Amino acid sequence: DGGITQSPKYLFRKEGQNVTLSCEQNLNHDAMYWYRQDPGQGLRLIYYSQIVNDFQKGDIAEGYSVSREKKESFPLTVTSAQKNPTAFYLCASSAGLNQPQHFGDGTRLSIL
Amino acid sequence: QKEVEQNSGPLSVPEGAIASLNCTYSDRGSQSFFWYRQYSGKSPELIMFIYSNGDKEDGRFTAQLNKASQYVSLLIRDSQPSDSATYLCAAHSSYKLIFGSGTRLLVRP
Repeated sequence: DGGITQSPKYLFRKEGQNVTLSCEQNLNHDAMYWYRQDPGQGLRLIYYSQIVNDFQKGDIAEGYSVSREKKESFPLTVTSAQKNPTAFYLCASSAGLNQPQHFGDGTRLSIL
Repeated sequence: QKEVEQNSGPLSVPEGAIASLNCTYSDRGSQSFFWYRQYSGKSPELIMFIYSNGDKEDGRFTAQLNKASQYVSLLIRDSQPSDSATYLCAAHSSYKLIFGSGTRLLVRP
C-alpha cells in the first residue's frame, strides 16, 4: 500500500557524530520535505525538494544536509554542527508544492 | 515573518457537542489552508484542506475560510473522545507550509 516510510523510529546520537534519517515514499510524489517538531510547538521546515537532484533550504537548515538522488528517497543527515538535535523529525511528500502534504510516522532523535 | 496563530487550549467539550477550532494567518497572499490532527506521540494526519472562501464539509468536519479576515476555522460535529488530539492549522505561503503550534482538544465522555 502507498505511503511514506521513515526509519529508524528512534535514534540516538553521540557527541560529534553525524546521523542519517531515512525517508522513502511510493506515492509517486514530486515534492518532499523535512520538518522538525519540538515539544508543544508547530512544525519548522528544514529542507524541501521539488524534483530529483534539486533541494532548497527551509527556515532552519543550519546543521542539516539532504540529498535527492531518487524520486522516492529524501534522506536527512543531522551533522555534529547541529548543537540541539533532540526533536521529532517528520518527512512529508506532496504531488506538488501547493498540494496537501502527507507525513511519515516520524523519527525521534535524542542525544546520548 | 509569516505566521499562523492558534490558541493552544486545551479546548474542552462534552461528547456529542460541536468543537470549534480557530486559526489566523498573516500572509494575505496565502491561497490554500490545511488542518491536521496529531495524536500524542504520532505524526500529523491531514483531515481537511480548503482553497476558497466559505465552507467545505467532509463528514463530521467543516472547514471555514474567510480571506478578508485572514481567518480559518474547523468545526467538528458530534465530537467523540477519539477526536481528542492536537489540531494543527497550516497556511501555504510562497513555497512552504507555515504551521501554527496547534490547539489541544479534549472531548469529555
